[in-house]
Amino acid sequence: DGGITQSPKYLFRKEGQNVTLSCEQNLNHDAMYWYRQDPGQGLRLIYYSQIVNDFQKGDIAEGYSVSREKKESFPLTVTSAQKNPTAFYLCASSIFPGEGNQPQHFGDGTRLSIL
Amino acid sequence: KNQVEQSPQSLIILEGKNCTLQCNYTVSPFSNLRWYKQDTGRGPVSLTIMTFSENTKSNGRYTATLDADTKQSSLHITASQLSDSASYICVVRGGATNKLIFGTGTLLAVQP
Repeated sequence: DGGITQSPKYLFRKEGQNVTLSCEQNLNHDAMYWYRQDPGQGLRLIYYSQIVNDFQKGDIAEGYSVSREKKESFPLTVTSAQKNPTAFYLCASSIFPGEGNQPQHFGDGTRLSIL
Repeated sequence: KNQVEQSPQSLIILEGKNCTLQCNYTVSPFSNLRWYKQDTGRGPVSLTIMTFSENTKSNGRYTATLDADTKQSSLHITASQLSDSASYICVVRGGATNKLIFGTGTLLAVQP
């Protein structure tokens, strides 16, 4: 089955620690995205990548970093500079950048908490 | 300011009943409007996508409507089932940068 796999499902971060969230897709999609979801708020875009070895900041990129070395993988690192990292993180992909009228496909998220 | 507002925030209905969720937006220019279903602890799943020229689109028991003149959309759920319990998110693509703007969702609980 094609889809997006996020791991781990739950992650805990200690003070001053960087943590990396994994996102893998086997849909052969060009574009990938990272969103943050907080209670009572709409999804907010952290970073997106339209093609391998290229990525752009979204609306709330501070304290986060990404890489796109392979088409199927788009890991997100939450650095110690992100002072409020507790949230539900969602990875998504779409068939091509801007995707027109095609939907974004989402993974099942990683819930990050501070220890 | 480009915004997407959903109402109600939450809703409880009995199994078998119908319900309608609302989405109002101020996004301009407009490209398309999407409805997603998000089960608790899972990622959103696409239900419908509508462009400016479409005013109704169905996906099984889900029917979305769009009035581009009044900038309103609704999602109607027919003969609700327990599995319909979820958050329903309205998303509009548009604005100067043609980005996705997410509503905060309507949390639906279907009770037996």
